[in-house]
Amino acid sequence: EAGVAQSPRYKIIEKRQSVAFWCNPISGHATLYWYQQILGQGPKLLIQFQNNGVVDDSQLPKDRFSAERLKGVDSTLKIQPAKLEDSAVYLCASSLGVRGPLNEQFFGPGTRLTVL
Amino acid sequence: GQNIDQPTEMTATEGAIVQINCTYQTSGFNGLFWYQQHAGEAPTFLSYNVLDGLEEKGRFSSFLSRSKGYSYLLLKELQMKDSASYLCAVRGASGGSYIPTFGRGTSLIVHP
Repeated sequence: EAGVAQSPRYKIIEKRQSVAFWCNPISGHATLYWYQQILGQGPKLLIQFQNNGVVDDSQLPKDRFSAERLKGVDSTLKIQPAKLEDSAVYLCASSLGVRGPLNEQFFGPGTRLTVL
Repeated sequence: GQNIDQPTEMTATEGAIVQINCTYQTSGFNGLFWYQQHAGEAPTFLSYNVLDGLEEKGRFSSFLSRSKGYSYLLLKELQMKDSASYLCAVRGASGGSYIPTFGRGTSLIVHP
């Protein structure tokens, strides 16, 4: 079974530039998550999709961050314009659903973003 | 909202046993997860608890007490490769669905 795919793996940009990340979840997984993980901290949920609908985006800085999941499969996360404090690893994860006995998340390798 | 607390760092000796604690506050509790994350890698799933008690899986066990808002991860027969960050995550209710919240992780250092 193929895992969660993310690209690019690394990105270096200057502040005020734009950047986009792509995620392809495990086939059949209805729920997709985007996390921001700053060095030394746990993952912080930015947005959670159920199919192509948003379940929660309460921690997404909507003035600069946007995300979409067209057709309920792939997803993109965009930052425009980037700030120095956006330097982090952006993790995408997917799960079969959100409730029920397990539904553990499977994580992609992440995109390491450096904003100069 | 949800709040999760776990120690920042722990050290242990190869072959020993270590217990990593996690306390949480959440509304609409729907499960607690433990993940392992090696430096520079993505988190990988270790265990899941939704009912009180102990879940055992090989060298790893996880315990949950919902009334106390408390869980621990127990690692036995420690190996050098167990040096990693251990993340406690709680799934709680939010706006009609469930969302996960992660703690900041406990960095475990295993030395010979």
